[in-house]
Amino acid sequence: GQNIDQPTEMTATEGAIVQINCTYQTSGFNGLFWYQQHAGEAPTFLSYNVLDGLEEKGRFSSFLSRSKGYSYLLLKELQMKDSASYLCAVKYDYKLSFGAGTTVTVRA
Amino acid sequence: GAGVSQSPRYKVAKRGQDVALRCDPISGHVSLFWYQQALGQGPEFLTYFQNEAQLDKSGLPSDRFFAERPEGSVSTLKIQRTQQEDSAVYLCASSLFPGQGYEQYFGPGTRLTVT
Repeated sequence: GQNIDQPTEMTATEGAIVQINCTYQTSGFNGLFWYQQHAGEAPTFLSYNVLDGLEEKGRFSSFLSRSKGYSYLLLKELQMKDSASYLCAVKYDYKLSFGAGTTVTVRA
Repeated sequence: GAGVSQSPRYKVAKRGQDVALRCDPISGHVSLFWYQQALGQGPEFLTYFQNEAQLDKSGLPSDRFFAERPEGSVSTLKIQRTQQEDSAVYLCASSLFPGQGYEQYFGPGTRLTVT
C-alpha cells in the first residue's frame, strides 16, 4: 500500500462533532477521496480534495494539506445514521489506495 | 439511474472449486476496477480496465485470479481452485474516465466464503 493511516475507531455523542485524520505518502498524489461504508454495503462517495483547503458539503467537510500529506474529514451535528466506517482513499495515477477505515460510533 | 451491480451477492465455495463473479458497471463508464476487501480493512486494488483493455493487474494475488471485460462493459472476475485465504468481499467500481477528479462508484460487492 501507500501507507494511508487513519485511526481505527472513534466514538461521539449525537449532535457532536468528530474529526477523522488521515495521513498519506505524498509522492504521486493525484487527489484524495473520503467514502462512507455501512456494514455489509458498498462504499459511497462523500468528498474529494485535490487542492489545499477546506471543502464543505452540508454537515460534512474535508480538508487537505498536500505538503504535509494530511487530510481530515469533519462530521458535524452527528446523527445516529452516521455510525459507519469512513475510508480515506488517495489516488495515485488512476488507482485508489485505501486506509483501513475509521469506525465511528454515534451514541445517543 | 442504475448504479454498479454485482452478482452473486453471496457465494460459498468449497476449497478447490472455481468461482466467477460478475460486475455490471454504470453504462458508459470507461474505467472499471476490482478490489478485495478483507474484514475490518479497506479495499485493496486488484485490477483495472479501460474499456476492454486490462491495463493493470498488479494487485491480483496469484495466477489463480483472472479478470476480463471483453466488450468494454460487463466484467467477470474468476478465481480458480479457491483457497480459504480467498474469503473476502470482492468490490467492483466504475468511473466515467480515469483522470483526476472522477470518483469511483462502487457496487454492493460479492461476499465469497471458501470452506
